[in-house]
Amino acid sequence: AQTVTQSQPEMSVQEAETVTLSCTYDTSESDYYLFWYKQPPSRQMILVIRQEAYKQQNATENRFSVNFQKAAKSFSLKISDSQLGDAAMYFCAYRSASDNDMRFGAGTRLTVKP
Amino acid sequence: NAGVMQNPRHLVRRRGQEARLRCSPMKGHSHVYWYRQLPEEGLKFMVYLQKENIIDESGMPKERFSAEFPKEGPSILRIQQVVRGDSAAYFCASSARIYYEQYFGPGTRLTVT
Repeated sequence: AQTVTQSQPEMSVQEAETVTLSCTYDTSESDYYLFWYKQPPSRQMILVIRQEAYKQQNATENRFSVNFQKAAKSFSLKISDSQLGDAAMYFCAYRSASDNDMRFGAGTRLTVKP
Repeated sequence: NAGVMQNPRHLVRRRGQEARLRCSPMKGHSHVYWYRQLPEEGLKFMVYLQKENIIDESGMPKERFSAEFPKEGPSILRIQQVVRGDSAAYFCASSARIYYEQYFGPGTRLTVT
């Protein structure tokens, strides 16, 4: 069974600084997708970034980038120039290319200090 | 293009009552997924539906829970005879095609008193 582990229940960053959120996963599949979702206090799930496992290049979306290490089964999220609006729960998620469901980690609560 | 719509946003039910949660997917999306989020936890998959068909209900409790996605109208997640343990946030997501990324609705927070 695929599992997703986020080992940091809480993280804190100073505004304008950079923070990295960790995620590891366990799978025997070779073709899959990885996602980072942001859940602000409104509880809306917002897709931040996605990575296809077959792509070696790390995905980037503006201030958000990932460090995808397939062999190590690691998928960390880097937030540069942190803003107050980045404060939220961040969930790492995995989906096999042959499965219907997504597996989520337990989440990391990010606090941004002014 | 409106996003995924869910209603109600908050639902309070007494033990033993029925809860009906509605989800309207994004325009053009015919794949709907339901997830449950318990406090301080990540989302857990419940069921995946296409129009008029349940494709995968492996995450759905065997009793009291059912889901449908009729040809016309929203997808419905139905919980009969609710118990306190059913209190959670229920999220619906939709996608344009199977295996495409899923877009989430704002969730329905169910409280069972």
